[in-house]
Amino acid sequence: DIQMTQSPSSVSASVGDRVTITCRASQDIRSWLLWYQKKPGKAPDLLISSASNLQSGVPSRFSGSGYGTDFTLTISSLRPEDFAIYYCQQARSFPLTFGGGTKVEI
Amino acid sequence: QKQLQESGPGLVKPSETLSLTCTVSGGSISSSSYSWGWIRQPPGKGLEWIGDIYYDGDTNYNPSLKSRVAISVDTSTNQFSLKLNSVTAADTAVYYCARWSRSVGCFDPWGQGALVSVSS
Repeated sequence: DIQMTQSPSSVSASVGDRVTITCRASQDIRSWLLWYQKKPGKAPDLLISSASNLQSGVPSRFSGSGYGTDFTLTISSLRPEDFAIYYCQQARSFPLTFGGGTKVEI
Repeated sequence: QKQLQESGPGLVKPSETLSLTCTVSGGSISSSSYSWGWIRQPPGKGLEWIGDIYYDGDTNYNPSLKSRVAISVDTSTNQFSLKLNSVTAADTAVYYCARWSRSVGCFDPWGQGALVSVSS
């Protein structure tokens, strides 16, 4: 199985801050990397596919980068609605696996 | 607009079988572009992929659950279902169904989720 490791597990930030979350795969997954945002009581929302493709309707303050084993999700200027848990997921091979999540909190 | 909705009992007794159904609306479950998946999230924990199914019945399962899980599809009702047998308290979770894009490789959209508690 491909293990996905996210860091940090939580980050305290303020509105307007730049936040960077990293995700490391235990083996090469090329660009088969997704980022989801999850808020309490709601289903995850897809933010980024193929490591860097911003989904339609997702604000441009979100961006993704990386290839192979190391990936990052960046929020350029944090908004109040961005406080949530962010998960990465690899789609390179089965079983599909998620990172442990990064909680972005005040 | 494609929507997914989970349904099923919210409480299951230990050793029994958890059964959930996902109803797909706004499009056909028989699309060749997608598979249909189940993901769960135990309270306070992360996301775990359970498995997925293609409209022709082809399945993929998480090896950690494979001996206890079965996913089926009914194209006539535009639904797919999850059965997890011999449940324990560790299977208590919010269960999500989601559409899996076979080309892009992503889950989108997701259902709202169904909390299933395992307790006597």
